[in-house]
Amino acid sequence: GDSVTQMEGPVTLSEEAFLTINCTYTATGYPSLFWYVQYPGEGLQLLLKATKADDKGSNKGFEATYRKETTSFHLEKGSVQVSDSAVYFCALSSGSNYQLIWGAGTKLIIKP
Amino acid sequence: KAGVTQTPRYLIKTRGQQVTLSCSPISGHRSVSWYQQTPGQGLQFLFEYFSETQRNKGNFPGRFSGRQFSNSRSEMNVSTLELGDSALYLCASQRGLTDTQYFGPGTRLTVL
Repeated sequence: GDSVTQMEGPVTLSEEAFLTINCTYTATGYPSLFWYVQYPGEGLQLLLKATKADDKGSNKGFEATYRKETTSFHLEKGSVQVSDSAVYFCALSSGSNYQLIWGAGTKLIIKP
Repeated sequence: KAGVTQTPRYLIKTRGQQVTLSCSPISGHRSVSWYQQTPGQGLQFLFEYFSETQRNKGNFPGRFSGRQFSNSRSEMNVSTLELGDSALYLCASQRGLTDTQYFGPGTRLTVL
């Protein structure tokens, strides 16, 4: 069945460092791909999405490109801030029921 | 535009009791999904309702049930609570079946 694999955390970086969080997927057909972020004590917020191959989703300085050939949707940001500390979830939506399939989440810690 | 609201935000119950959680979707959204989030299991899909009908169901025991009203508001019920039901319960709404899900802040349930 469909699945999403994220790099394990926590990922610890210094402020202004470059961020990459890896996400790969297995799916039949052509899924839509999402990154959600969860700040401490809160629900999930949609960060960005891409609905077809080679699409680039972007928001708040974060970017991810839908790579069909490598079945990947890696999250990147050029310069992270302490306020980016959160848990990041990669997810896909496909199939006849469009149910979201989730990765395990990657905790990001940014140190000043 | 108001976001997804969930009530109550926090609940403490004892084993054997039952609980009802409420979710009000974004205006105009007809689909509501429920998720359980725990540190050990991550995000797990409970069920999805669309136009008052349960469309999808996750792999949870029958103690977990839900419903959706004509105004798209949804409730989920957990009967005969167990310690393992302690979790953050998240509700998400979407306009249509293929649209992006938007999440509420969650209800933190603690079972003692």
